Amino acid sequence: NAGVTQTPKFRILKIGQSMTLQCTQDMNHNYMYWYRQDPGMGLKLIYYSVGAGITDKGEVPNGYNVSRSTTEDFPLRLELAAPSQTSVYFCASGGGRFQETQYFGPGTRLLVL
Amino acid sequence: TQLLEQSPQFLSIQEGENLTVYCNSSSVFSSLQWYRQEPGEGPVLLVTVVTGGEVKKLKRLTFQFGDARKDSSLHITAAQPGDTGLYLCAGERGAQKLVFGQGTRLTINP
Repeated sequence: NAGVTQTPKFRILKIGQSMTLQCTQDMNHNYMYWYRQDPGMGLKLIYYSVGAGITDKGEVPNGYNVSRSTTEDFPLRLELAAPSQTSVYFCASGGGRFQETQYFGPGTRLLVL
Repeated sequence: TQLLEQSPQFLSIQEGENLTVYCNSSSVFSSLQWYRQEPGEGPVLLVTVVTGGEVKKLKRLTFQFGDARKDSSLHITAAQPGDTGLYLCAGERGAQKLVFGQGTRLTINP
């Protein structure tokens, strides 16, 4: 009963480095989301996808890229890490229908120094 | 600019007391969801309210959606240490896109 899994759990990056945050869900959900959570700021939507091959920007997409080649996977790419990207990143999935629950992964804590 | 304002941001009370957390906005949402988040974990959905004026109860937790669907409240009766956590409200705005408040960090002291 895995639900939404994320890797890695924690990562330290140097300024300018790149990395990919992995997200996989086993609930056959069409909708997947990436959020970032900064202290005292709640969660902000970075990108979302309504199905394989379809992605769209959320509130704070700058500095990030996504792809969705399969229903299960929705990786988030940071190309040139900046200190402002220090945050906790959450992936979520849902059926996409009105009122439907979004299921969140355990998060990836990223520190950019 | 925070679209959804939660208050208070921090609340520390004694076990057995009652409390209310507020979630306010100038925007109308199609639904309002409340989540609870434990340290090191992702948010977990507690309830979704849809209709203006709707009240939902989950054991000692009572959730209310404002008549105009712009605000909501969470009331906890006889708080217990197990209620400690971060409570987040989130407004739904199409394609199941959620806008989150900044959260209320609740601590219940034994």
